[in-house]
Amino acid sequence: DIVMTQSPDSLAVSLGERATFNCKSSQSVLYSSNNKNYLAWYQKKPGQPPKLLIYWASTRESGVPERFSGSGSGTDFTLTISSLQAEDVAVYYCQQYFSNLYTFGQGTKLEIK
Amino acid sequence: QVQLVQSGAEVKKPGSSVKVSCKASGGTFSSYAISWVRQAPGQGLEWMGGIIPMFGIPNYAHKFQGRVTISADESTTTAYMELNSLRSEDTAVYYCARDSRYFDNWGQGTLVTVSS
Repeated sequence: DIVMTQSPDSLAVSLGERATFNCKSSQSVLYSSNNKNYLAWYQKKPGQPPKLLIYWASTRESGVPERFSGSGSGTDFTLTISSLQAEDVAVYYCQQYFSNLYTFGQGTKLEIK
Repeated sequence: QVQLVQSGAEVKKPGSSVKVSCKASGGTFSSYAISWVRQAPGQGLEWMGGIIPMFGIPNYAHKFQGRVTISADESTTTAYMELNSLRSEDTAVYYCARDSRYFDNWGQGTLVTVSS
């Protein structure tokens, strides 16, 4: 199975500042035939189902604020919140779908400093 | 827009089984896959497996192989996840999700509590 490792485990950022989440896969999730990275990011708040933020590593889901962006390729990926808002407090997960045995990272908890 | 509505909370004894349903509306049920993801208390998200109703062939995570059965009924546009030989570590919220490889629509979640 492809192992997804996120860092850090937790993150405290001031309102209006940038938050950066990292995700590393144990093997490349870049499919060479279409040059797409098979990686998604989710936001999870208590009592709510996960919310898709980013897919194909950098495509923002409809309705997701522009302050959320994804980057990276191969085995190393980043989710960035450009200017933290109070409602962004959550746990963030990456997920690979390169293999048909999907796997998630362990999550990064975001708090307000 | 696809809507997924799951069955209600369950309390089960260790060693028993649970079957959770996920009713889909909107979209064409048989053409998209449905996956099941769980989150135990204080833990992360864990993919259990999925199915494309049109093909009816499920795909399971290694961890759950032999203990989980995922199925779908096209006539009622409902997917099911049955987990057997329940133990306390299976206490979790179980979610169904539309599987476009990434998960773009989610059910509301079903809490399954395993307790003697």
